[in-house]
Amino acid sequence: AQSVTQLGSHVSVSEGALVLLRCNYSSSVPPYLFWYVQYPNQGLQLLLKYTSAATLVKGINGFEAEFKKSETSFHLTKPSAHMSDAAEYFCAVRVNTNAGKSTFGDGTTLTVKP
Amino acid sequence: DAGITQSPRHKVTETGTPVTLRCHQTENHRYMYWYRQDPGHGLRLIHYSYGVKDTDKGEVSDGYSVSRSKTEDFLLTLESATSSQTSVYFCAISEGALTDTQYFGPGTRLTVL
Repeated sequence: AQSVTQLGSHVSVSEGALVLLRCNYSSSVPPYLFWYVQYPNQGLQLLLKYTSAATLVKGINGFEAEFKKSETSFHLTKPSAHMSDAAEYFCAVRVNTNAGKSTFGDGTTLTVKP
Repeated sequence: DAGITQSPRHKVTETGTPVTLRCHQTENHRYMYWYRQDPGHGLRLIHYSYGVKDTDKGEVSDGYSVSRSKTEDFLLTLESATSSQTSVYFCAISEGALTDTQYFGPGTRLTVL
């Protein structure tokens, strides 16, 4: 079975600072990994995904993530935080031995201070 | 935005009553999913569908049933609602299963008193 752990349920950064949201996965087979963002009272929106092509994945709104198999990690980064980045972020994993069912992490709430 | 609507958007009901939530898509995507979102638990898959009349259970399927008689509609039914089913329910769709993007609806907030 696959699983995802997001380290830190709350992260606070200053505007202009580096954003780093951590995601570690567990899977016995090659995973497909996703980052989603959720703004208040809305559904989730895909930021980026890793599908076994390039290990460094670029997404929308200046976010990127790097797949590191040796560390079983898929951390999300953005060089310079903007106030509009304040939201909840979810990491998710899928594997082909589980019919593509997604397993989500518990989420990380990002606060951006002016 | 992907064409996904959920109805109702908000519902308050009493313990023991049946409740049906509807998800409607205009994208003709094969896969449809129902998730529930609870504080500190992220999203958990309830049921999903991989075609008309083809459904399978997720990790928290007890107390829920689903039906899909048309490509565009996926219904989630709580046969006898309980307070533990108070949650926000999200529908999602995707063209394929593994690597395709899931598009999420706006959610339904259900309160069971």
